Amino acid sequence: DTGVSQDPRHKITKRGQNVTFRCDPISEHNRLYWYRQTLGQGPEFLTYFQNEAQLEKSRLLSDRFSAERPKGSFSTLEIQRTEQGDSAMYLCASSLAGLNTGELFFGEGSRLTVL
Amino acid sequence: AQSVTQLDSHVSVSEGTPVLLRCNYSSSYSPSLFWYVQHPNKGLQLLLKYTSAATLVKGINGFEAEFKKSETSFHLTKPSAHMSDAAEYFCVVSGGGTYKYIFGTGTRLKVLA
Repeated sequence: DTGVSQDPRHKITKRGQNVTFRCDPISEHNRLYWYRQTLGQGPEFLTYFQNEAQLEKSRLLSDRFSAERPKGSFSTLEIQRTEQGDSAMYLCASSLAGLNTGELFFGEGSRLTVL
Repeated sequence: AQSVTQLDSHVSVSEGTPVLLRCNYSSSYSPSLFWYVQHPNKGLQLLLKYTSAATLVKGINGFEAEFKKSETSFHLTKPSAHMSDAAEYFCVVSGGGTYKYIFGTGTRLKVLA
């Protein structure tokens, strides 16, 4: 399977714990995106990378959230000191660099439940 | 800033009847516009995209959308609904110096037998 893969698919944690999600994009895609989706809402942009550079980050993203893409391949999204409001589906997507009209290819998401 | 507004949160149609899902956009630049579909427990899938070529865009599964600059609209249509079309549909805008893709709040399509 050469699509976008995310791990874990489901994570249940207690408030205050740290969690980390991993995304493996399609191999030739230079751009990688993170979105958050809550029930009944559209995906909300969090951040994106071109290669290893984080080019834009949402102002809604608190300091407890950090994302990395150290070698321009896979990416991690860490949430520190989780809160119940962080419960959501975290989506990763990738696309070809050089095109802002290109298709985003999405993974199936990582669902976070904070108790 | 760019944004999209999906005018209906829920749409119900009978199988075999036309589908219309409405989307208005706001952009200071010539936008790129997309429709994505999300089936329950499945990932988001591209239906079609507009990127300043033909204003009438054809997508997968018989869907199409028309870009109307004068109305700032990009409505999604299908002549005849099928039960398998039941899903959540998202209108998306991109472009204008940013590589962000901004999603609407979604329209849930229900297809009645």
